[in-house]
This record gives sequence, C-alpha cells and structure tokens, in this order.
Amino acid sequence: AQSVSQHNHHVILSEAASLELGCNYSYGGTVNLFWYVQYPGQHLQLLLKYFSGDPLVKGIKGFEAEFIKSKFSFNLRKPSVQWSDTAEYFCAASYNAGNMLTFGGGTRLMVKP
Amino acid sequence: GAVVSQHPSRVICKSGTSVKIECRSLDFQATTMFWYRQFPKKSLMLMATSNEGSKATYEQGVEKDKFLINHASLTLSTLTVTSAHPEDSSFYICSAQDPTRAQYFGPGTRLLVL
Repeated sequence: AQSVSQHNHHVILSEAASLELGCNYSYGGTVNLFWYVQYPGQHLQLLLKYFSGDPLVKGIKGFEAEFIKSKFSFNLRKPSVQWSDTAEYFCAASYNAGNMLTFGGGTRLMVKP
Repeated sequence: GAVVSQHPSRVICKSGTSVKIECRSLDFQATTMFWYRQFPKKSLMLMATSNEGSKATYEQGVEKDKFLINHASLTLSTLTVTSAHPEDSSFYICSAQDPTRAQYFGPGTRLLVL
C-alpha cells in the first residue's frame, strides 16, 4: 500500500532559523505531491504542489519543496522561519493520477520568538 | 486560493438523531469531493470519495448506511451521519478537488453526540 512518512513529529526552532521538514513517499507509480499547513485553530491550507516539471517547487509564504525522485523525498524548506509559521505541516501524495490523497502523520513546528 | 466552506462548524445532537453536514466549493466547480475524519492528535482518515452525479466510494471499514453522502451539484456535497452515537463524535472535514487535482479543504465540522 502507498504510504507517506514524516519522520520529524515535533520541531522547535528560533525565529530566523532555517527549516527543513522531511517527507518520504513509497513507490507506487506516477506521484503527485503536496504540502499542507494547519495553523492553530484553522483548517488545512495548501502550501504547494508538485505534478511534473521543475523539481523545485515554490509555494506561498516563502516555502519551497524539492522533489528528489531517487530518494523518494519531497522535503519542505524555508530559509528563515517566523513565529507565525508555528503550525502543523502535512505532506501528502496521490498516485497514478488518482484522486485519493495519502497523508503523512504531520510535523508540529513551534517557532520561538 | 480556492475556498471551501462547511456548515455547520459545530453541532451537538442527541444520540439517535441524524446530522447533515454541507460542503461547498465557493469559487470553483468540483466534480470530486472527499470526506475525512480527524481524530485527536492524528492525521486525517479518508472516509469516502464523493463524485458528482454518482454514488460515493467508501473506504474500507466505513459504514455507507451510517454515513450517507450526496453530491448533487458541482459545488455541493453533503454528509449525513444517521442515528448518531457518541462514538461518532469527531471532527469531520471535507475537501474539494479542482481541475488540477489539488484538494482544498474546508474548515471542518465538530460533531458532539450526547
């Protein structure tokens, strides 16, 4: 079965630190990849998505992610985090142009002011 | 970005009653919508895929007679929890898929069954 794993469950950073959240997906054919963010008390919002083309994807709020096919990875990065980035981040994948999203377990990020 | 709304945001009901939750895509048409359930401190669990004009596809272990899904138009899907019981108390979230296949999520509905 397809799966998505996020190995960092909790991450604590100080403001201005650089961020990288890991995401690995299982092999299953053609994959589309997504990062979602859930701010405290809010619903899931799409940060960025990868379907094809340039493996470095830029999203909203200064986030980017890099698709590395050989590593089955789609790590999320931000060069300098802010306190307002405190949230839970979910990586997700859909396979073979299917509709179903497979979610990772999420990573809780806390940014200390 | 695309906006998806859910109504109601919170509902409290007595055991044995039915509750209907609406999911609307406000600024795009969605032939496919999804219903998820989120348990405390856990990721989303897909319950069913709702396709406009056809029957929903339920995930294994989800009772189709208990969780009735109707996708009557390209902007509206409804989830009805029939004969709700306390164990159905949860956070229900819908998403709508745009033509690029990205899913946009609603704000969720918190259901409490007494």
